[in-house]
Amino acid sequence: DAGVIQSPRHEVTEMGQEVTLRCKPISGHNSLFWYRQTMMRGLELLIYFNNNVPIDDSGMPEDRFSAKMPNASFSTLKIQPSEPRDSAVYFCASSLSAWATQAETQYFGPGTRLLVL
Amino acid sequence: GQSLEQPSEVTAVEGAIVQINCTYQTSGFYGLSWYQQHDGGAPTFLSYNALDGLEETGRFSSFLSRSDSYGYLLLQELQMKDSASYFCAVRDQAYNTDKLIFGTGTRLQVFP
Repeated sequence: DAGVIQSPRHEVTEMGQEVTLRCKPISGHNSLFWYRQTMMRGLELLIYFNNNVPIDDSGMPEDRFSAKMPNASFSTLKIQPSEPRDSAVYFCASSLSAWATQAETQYFGPGTRLLVL
Repeated sequence: GQSLEQPSEVTAVEGAIVQINCTYQTSGFYGLSWYQQHDGGAPTFLSYNALDGLEETGRFSSFLSRSDSYGYLLLQELQMKDSASYFCAVRDQAYNTDKLIFGTGTRLQVFP
């Protein structure tokens, strides 16, 4: 298995531009998570999907952030308009629901390093 | 709410043993997970304890005491490649979901 795939791996953009991050979870996994990591705030959960349905978006910073999961194999995180404070590493992770397996393993993608100038 | 506390940094020398502690406060509890993250890399799963006691996986072991709301990760025969950040995590009970709450991480530096 290729693991969780994220694109792009690096993104440099200017303030005000739209940024779209993409994620392909591991095949068969039914939970998908978007995280943001910074030195100041650590690893923060932004939004979580189960069976393509958003379950918890309480971590989404503001209306500039949106996420979709149109099918089981693809999700996007969009920032519009982007701001310098959005600069961070954004991770996507997937898992097989813990309620099914009683397991707690989340598999993280390599991350997208976003720099907003 | 949920909260986890772990030391911010630990240092040790190659070949030594180091213990990284984690205390947690949760309204409900399923188990404690540990993740490793190297600089520039992604978090990777190390271990999970749902029951009290010690779980061993090679040089790494993880311990849980549910009555004390406490766990630790034990790394033996330290190697330079073990230099990384280590996060403990618990499942969020608030929404009865798969959401994990991560600690702030412990940065382990292994010196020769």
